[in-house]
Amino acid sequence: GIQVEQSPPDLILQEGANSTLRCNFSDSVNNLQWFHQNPWGQLINLFYIPSGTKQNGRLSATTVATERYSLLYISSSQTTDSGVYFCAVDYGQNFVFGPGTRLSVLP
Amino acid sequence: ETGVTQTPRHLVMGMTNKKSLKCEQHLGHNAMYWYKQSAKKPLELMFVYSLEERVENNSVPSRFSPECPNSSHLFLHLHTLQPEDSALYLCASSHGTSVGELFFGEGSRLTVL
Repeated sequence: GIQVEQSPPDLILQEGANSTLRCNFSDSVNNLQWFHQNPWGQLINLFYIPSGTKQNGRLSATTVATERYSLLYISSSQTTDSGVYFCAVDYGQNFVFGPGTRLSVLP
Repeated sequence: ETGVTQTPRHLVMGMTNKKSLKCEQHLGHNAMYWYKQSAKKPLELMFVYSLEERVENNSVPSRFSPECPNSSHLFLHLHTLQPEDSALYLCASSHGTSVGELFFGEGSRLTVL
């Protein structure tokens, strides 16, 4: 089956800092999503991005499908950005999730 | 509000109890999913339903029994669970399997005593 890796596993930032999260996958995929899991457990959709670059406010994402990776950029981080960020790839008939990056933004 | 609603949000049950988790989606999607998230583990796919038919059962023990009466509703029936089954159970939906974006409910946090 497909392998999905995320790096770094943990990240601590000071409020206002920028960061880049990475997702690597081992096979061609139909699609890719980024999620933010808040402290209450809910998974919030951030980007649905099979290829190219998308931006939404302080967040942007780039997927290079031919090289099998995606990047999530967070600029001017805020404490509310804390939580776990997951990438998920659409592979076969289901979505396979990476292990996540746990982000802590300190005031 | 993602359009996917799960109830109950929290559930505590004994090992001999029978309970059910419910998921309802208002997005007009045809595929629904159950995922399990245990502490410090990645999300694990449990079941996939497409147009009310089960298309994937990811080697889940029989003490978990899914039911999909129509494309808007998905249940997970629980019986004789073990303490290691305590986890966050997440329901999701998409237009179809391998079609469209995945949307999640808020999750049902289960504790088995």
